[in-house]
Amino acid sequence: DTGVSQDPRHKITKRGQNVTFRCDPISEHNRLYWYRQTLGQGPEFLTYFQNEAQLEKSRLLSDRFSAERPKGSFSTLEIQRTEQGDSAMYLCASSLGGLGDTEAFFGQGTRLTVV
Amino acid sequence: AQSVAQPEDQVNVAEGNPLTVKCTYSVSGNPYLFWYVQYPNRGLQFLLKYITGDNLVKGSYGFEAEFNKSQTSFHLKKPSALVSDSALYFCAVRASSGSARQLTFGSGTQLTVLP
Repeated sequence: DTGVSQDPRHKITKRGQNVTFRCDPISEHNRLYWYRQTLGQGPEFLTYFQNEAQLEKSRLLSDRFSAERPKGSFSTLEIQRTEQGDSAMYLCASSLGGLGDTEAFFGQGTRLTVV
Repeated sequence: AQSVAQPEDQVNVAEGNPLTVKCTYSVSGNPYLFWYVQYPNRGLQFLLKYITGDNLVKGSYGFEAEFNKSQTSFHLKKPSALVSDSALYFCAVRASSGSARQLTFGSGTQLTVLP
């Protein structure tokens, strides 16, 4: 399967702990996105990379959130000092940018539960 | 700012009947429009997109959508619904130009096809 891969699929953590999620995009895709989805809502944009450069960050991305894409391939999303309000599905997507701009393909997500 | 409205939280239709899931959007300039489907505990699967050209676009699983610029709408349609079409459907938009590349999603419409 050469789709977008996310790890872990599920994460339960205690409030105040740090968590890190990983996303492996489709290999030739240069754009990578992180979204957050809560129950009954559509995905909300968090941040976007083109290659290794983080080009856009949402106001939703508080100082406790940080994302990296060090070599322009996989990406990590870290949440420090987790709060119960961080409980959500975190979705990663990738696309091919440029003249042949493609639609975004999504991974299956990481479901975070903060207890 | 870009936005999407899906006015119906829930759509019920009998198997074999035509279905429509409504979407209206707001974006600066020309839009790129997308429909995604989400099954329980899964990521989003791409259905179809409008970039330019013919206002009627065809996608996966027999779905189609009609772009109407004057009404700023992009309704999803299928001539004959299947029980297996039951899922959560999301409409999304982004601007065709400018630096923003992220999608803005609607809140979703739960489609239930009754046997």
